Amino acid sequence: DAKTTQPPSMDCAEGRAANLPCNHSTISGNEYVYWYRQIHSQGPQYIIHGLKNNETNEMASLIITEDRKSSTLILPHATLRDTAVYYCIVRVAVNTDKLIFGTGTRLQVFP
Amino acid sequence: ETGVTQTPRHLVMGMTNKKSLKCEQHLGHNAMYWYKQSAKKPLELMFVYSLEERVENNSVPSRFSPECPNSSHLFLHLHTLQPEDSALYLCASSQDYGFSYEQYFGPGTRLTVT
Repeated sequence: DAKTTQPPSMDCAEGRAANLPCNHSTISGNEYVYWYRQIHSQGPQYIIHGLKNNETNEMASLIITEDRKSSTLILPHATLRDTAVYYCIVRVAVNTDKLIFGTGTRLQVFP
Repeated sequence: ETGVTQTPRHLVMGMTNKKSLKCEQHLGHNAMYWYKQSAKKPLELMFVYSLEERVENNSVPSRFSPECPNSSHLFLHLHTLQPEDSALYLCASSQDYGFSYEQYFGPGTRLTVT
């Protein structure tokens, strides 16, 4: 699976949009981009995933660049409960269940 | 609430003890996983079970022994652990193995080996 690069930490004001970047310049054509987050002392939580089109669900939006070398997770109205470590993971779609977690981005939402 | 529960939530054990961690999923999933998360390190996959058969064992020492009696339950039996085994142990499940379905994690068991 391709490696990903994320900033180690970010801050965001409550109520504002949080934009979390991820670089995956060696991504292959059959690899999806997944996002998970881990709130302190809890297990990771699935957020969203996509291949090449932008995706949106009730939690977040995922914007993938046209060349697929980077993506951005958007939390449209961050709350204090969104404070967590966010992991960007690239994995192939079939014949594997490997979730390779990196060190992620620690997002701190402040009042 | 993810539909995956783990007990106990906290465990302190000596190096000569034997204990077991339990995981239960209420999602009707066919695949279950054990992960280890040590302080300041990324999550590491330990074991994968699909339909009660072990399909992955990622070079985990034999002092960790998994058991999957049915597709809803997963155990991790611990014996003669070392202090460096202190970590958060996470259980997860997914719909099926091998298709990159999203995984649902339990809250974890915080293990301290003294």
